[in-house]
This record gives sequence, structure tokens and C-alpha cells, in this order.
Amino acid sequence: GESVGLHLPTLSVQEGDNSIINCAYSNSASDYFIWYKQESGKGPQFIIDIRSNMDKRQGQRVTVLLNKTVKHLSLQIAATQPGDSAVYFCAEKGVRGSQGNLIFGKGTKLSVKP
Amino acid sequence: KAGVTQTPRYLIKTRGQQVTLSCSPISGHRSVSWYQQTPGQGLQFLFEYFSETQRNKGNFPGRFSGRQFSNSRSEMNVSTLELGDSALYLCASSLAGAQETQYFGPGTRLLVL
Repeated sequence: GESVGLHLPTLSVQEGDNSIINCAYSNSASDYFIWYKQESGKGPQFIIDIRSNMDKRQGQRVTVLLNKTVKHLSLQIAATQPGDSAVYFCAEKGVRGSQGNLIFGKGTKLSVKP
Repeated sequence: KAGVTQTPRYLIKTRGQQVTLSCSPISGHRSVSWYQQTPGQGLQFLFEYFSETQRNKGNFPGRFSGRQFSNSRSEMNVSTLELGDSALYLCASSLAGAQETQYFGPGTRLLVL
């Protein structure tokens, strides 16, 4: 039968606006979370990470928020630029028995309009 | 410091053939993980190697195998290729694997005809 590709959620923002990308994770035992950015034709690029003993972490123009109660992760990008256009993935890593194994979300495609 | 490198970048094979992909981790990194990325399934974990030992394995058939050398370089092999094996194969390295950030290479694009 015909294969169906992933329907990626798409977020379209105006250059200079703030972007918020959301992610729901699956395992309440996961204790480490990472956001990656993947541009067309490239491998995922590390953006920022957060451990489960934190609920917020800031980097350069990016902030990650972790809500363990509802198993939700978000990535905020301030003053979004055209170069931020890419697919963004959240990834989680568990504790025991899953070393080296990242579980990725489906991804969100961010389009920045100049 | 050089990033993760993968060779070859592109590969075309036919069904039934086998293929070997190579990954050189960031200098000093001892853990190498492999992932398969397809439009239909997204990014899926294949296996992880640390100190020449497979430490963790994803849910893929035995046709997918790998190994790691003493210099931490890793190879993965896919035997008896199927059309569905067409994908971007990504390698990621980290210092020690557990709770360490993984850094990805550019990937090898495999097309099976």
C-alpha cells in the first residue's frame, strides 16, 4: 500500500517575533531532555538541554521549559530569524536500560517569514 | 575540534545487497549511537556502542548490525537490503552515553532500488 509520511506540525512566524514549539514526552521516568534543530540535508544540531530537576533553562535566544506534571516540554526562540527555519525535535532519555538511546518526538517545522 | 563525520554521504544499492556505513565520533567521545530517519517513522534508535560493546539496541531486525573499534570509530551494516531500508542513517557521539549530550553527524543517505 501507499506509505504515508509523517505530517509534521508547522509553525509559521514573522521574522522578529518569538516562537514557541511544544512537545509532549512519553516516559515519566525520563530525566534528561534535549532540543535539536535539523536543517534540510543536515543532521540534527544540539540546541539546548534540561534535566528533570529543573523546570527552566536559558541559552542564547532560546529557553526550554519543562513541566513534569503534564509531561510537556517547550522551546521558546526569541526574535526569530530566517536562519531559525528548520525542523525542531525534542528528545528524551530515560534512566536505566536506555543509555545512549534518545527517543525523538515527531518534530515541528518552523517557517520564518521575512 | 572536528565534528562527527560519516562516510559515505550518499549511497545507492539494490535489493538483496548489503551495505556498510562508517562513523567517526568527536575526538574523546567513547559512545556512538546510530539512528534511522525516514519520513514515515521519523528518527528511530538502532543501537549504541561504548568501549567496543553494544550497550543498547533498538527494535530493528537482525539484518542491522554494528561494531565499534578501539579508536571509537563505528560501522553499521545492513544485510539483504529491502526497499524500506531507504533512509537517512545518522550517527551520534557522546562522551560516555548516559546523560550526555549526543552530537550528530550529517548522515548517510541510503537509497535502495
